Amino acid sequence: DGGITQSPKYLFRKEGQNVTLSCEQNLNHDAMYWYRQDPGQGLRLIYYSQIVNDFQKGDIAEGYSVSREKKESFPLTVTSAQKNPTAFYLCASSTRDTMAFGYTFGSGTRLTVV
Amino acid sequence: GNSVTQMEGPVTLSEEAFLTINCTYTATGYPSLFWYVQYPGEGLQLLLKATKADDKGSNKGFEATYRKETTSFHLEKGSVQVSDSAVYFCALSDRYALNFGKGTSLLVTP
Repeated sequence: DGGITQSPKYLFRKEGQNVTLSCEQNLNHDAMYWYRQDPGQGLRLIYYSQIVNDFQKGDIAEGYSVSREKKESFPLTVTSAQKNPTAFYLCASSTRDTMAFGYTFGSGTRLTVV
Repeated sequence: GNSVTQMEGPVTLSEEAFLTINCTYTATGYPSLFWYVQYPGEGLQLLLKATKADDKGSNKGFEATYRKETTSFHLEKGSVQVSDSAVYFCALSDRYALNFGKGTSLLVTP
């Protein structure tokens, strides 16, 4: 079955460490997105990519980095520059016609700083 | 950019009650509108959508109508079940991505 896989489901990071969250899709979608979810704040866009080898900053990109070397993969690195990284991270993908079809989401990664 | 505002929760209803979750939007042009549902510890699932004015999206007994004159896309269900307990997000399309509301938590009690 086609879908999006995020891993790991839970991740613990020590302060000062970089961590990478994985996102893989087999839906043949062109566009991929990373959102951060905090209680009471909804979803905020971190980065998005509409095509391989190209990506754009979203509303809260500071302290994060991404790559899009393959159509299927869009990993997110949370760097030590991100001062408050504890959150639920959601990856999504869509066809080029997002307006008509919306997103497919992964099941999320919960990151906790210890 | 385009944005949505949805009613704050939590909303608590008894089983078989009528549900309305309000969502209004601010947009230039003609965005598409969506409702997503999130169950605890999971990602979001598309519940329904509407791509133009007066369209009605429906799924699993939920409905929402794209009202351009009132810039609204309220979610309704005639008879909720305990299994409908979840967080509901209204969203609309912006130039390159979807913008989401803050979510409304729904708890349905037996």
